Amino acid sequence: KAGVTQTPRYLIKTRGQQVTLSCSPISGHRSVSWYQQTPGQGLQFLFEYFSETQRNKGNFPGRFSGRQFSNSRSEMNVSTLELGDSALYLCASSFSGTSTYEQYFGPGTRLTVT
Amino acid sequence: KQEVTQIPAALSVPEGENLVLNCSFTDSAIYNLQWFRQDPGKGLTSLLLIQSSQREQTSGRLNASLDKSSGRSTLYIAASQPGDSATYLCAVNSGNTGKLIFGQGTTLQVKP
Repeated sequence: KAGVTQTPRYLIKTRGQQVTLSCSPISGHRSVSWYQQTPGQGLQFLFEYFSETQRNKGNFPGRFSGRQFSNSRSEMNVSTLELGDSALYLCASSFSGTSTYEQYFGPGTRLTVT
Repeated sequence: KQEVTQIPAALSVPEGENLVLNCSFTDSAIYNLQWFRQDPGKGLTSLLLIQSSQREQTSGRLNASLDKSSGRSTLYIAASQPGDSATYLCAVNSGNTGKLIFGQGTTLQVKP
């Protein structure tokens, strides 16, 4: 099976712009979670989508939003970018319905805000 | 609120040494605990997952243990190799969902 894929891998944006990141989960996985990784804060949970519905949400401002499509692919959007949004954004998928709920991560999208 | 701590933050050992990485969590009501490896600038690779009902899991030279009552997990790496150099992260899942709470990681350097 193909792993979790994320596009684009690298992005450079200017403050005030908006950005959309994409995540394609492992085939058959219905849960997609998003995380932000920065040197100062480490890995922080953004939100989880399951069957096109947001199931969990972390402590991030409303500028961070997401959605999931019927094929389980997910997108994350950040509006009005700030310098502090520069980070590695990781998505993870899992096959909800098993007892393990093991998470599999993609390679990440490196976002730089200038 | 669940908090996850990893000690030490960094570790440097000579090749061939056996080593232990530590992870502690504040709320023992967990669903599972997962250990990951991250190479610089890359995504996370899952190493081992331990269910809350299990005490340990093994994969090759890796062994992870879980003691829920004390809020601790350890990752044991046998006969370390330079290729083991990476950051190791533990993450706790407190419910049957996709939300993981991560520790800050231990950066391991194995010297030839």
